[in-house]
Amino acid sequence: DTEVTQTPKHLVMGMTNKKSLKCEQHMGHRAMYWYKQKAKKPPELMFVYSYEKLSINESVPSRFSPECPNSSLLNLHLHALQPEDSALYLCASSQVGQGLEAFFGQGTRLTVV
Amino acid sequence: KQEVTQIPAALSVPEGENLVLNCSFTDSAIYNLQWFRQDPGKGLTSLLLIQSSQREQTSGRLNASLDKSSGRSTLYIAASQPGDSATYLCAVRSRVTGKLIFGQGTTLQVKP
Repeated sequence: DTEVTQTPKHLVMGMTNKKSLKCEQHMGHRAMYWYKQKAKKPPELMFVYSYEKLSINESVPSRFSPECPNSSLLNLHLHALQPEDSALYLCASSQVGQGLEAFFGQGTRLTVV
Repeated sequence: KQEVTQIPAALSVPEGENLVLNCSFTDSAIYNLQWFRQDPGKGLTSLLLIQSSQREQTSGRLNASLDKSSGRSTLYIAASQPGDSATYLCAVRSRVTGKLIFGQGTTLQVKP
């Protein structure tokens, strides 16, 4: 099983709402990632968790709050977003270490209205 | 700073053609290079992973090569099919930062 599962697939939220994106993998990977992708652009790294601890935050605004409750789950909590935050949010996972393959989920299409 | 470039940005070919997608990177300090496929509005599907010590990898009609010293990789697709239409992204994992750094992608259209 090389699957990374993201829910929901689509999300529309108002600027005052609070919502969460979820990501799950059962490959035993101990590194998990959040990426943001705008139309016709490559994915941009947001956060990296290694062994359930936040190891990289790419200067992401605090309205995005990641959480890794266990080795299989990764959440992204959203609050007070702006319309420009509308994008495809991708979760990925890999083993920790050198040169290991990254697996991506199908993404959550987020629209902020 | 590592930069990854993909040429061409877009490609349209008739069905059955063999084709080559190009990827270049500026810093040879990489762990590996990975080719991905992305359908519109969907996630990334890993196609091939080439470790820095390897020269090529093959999967079905796909063959990827890596020349680390010259900072180049190619993805060869044999006997293209309309179902191959998608955006193809290459990404290198930097030895300096450990991050996966993406190119801008090549959007491929295979016409029946």
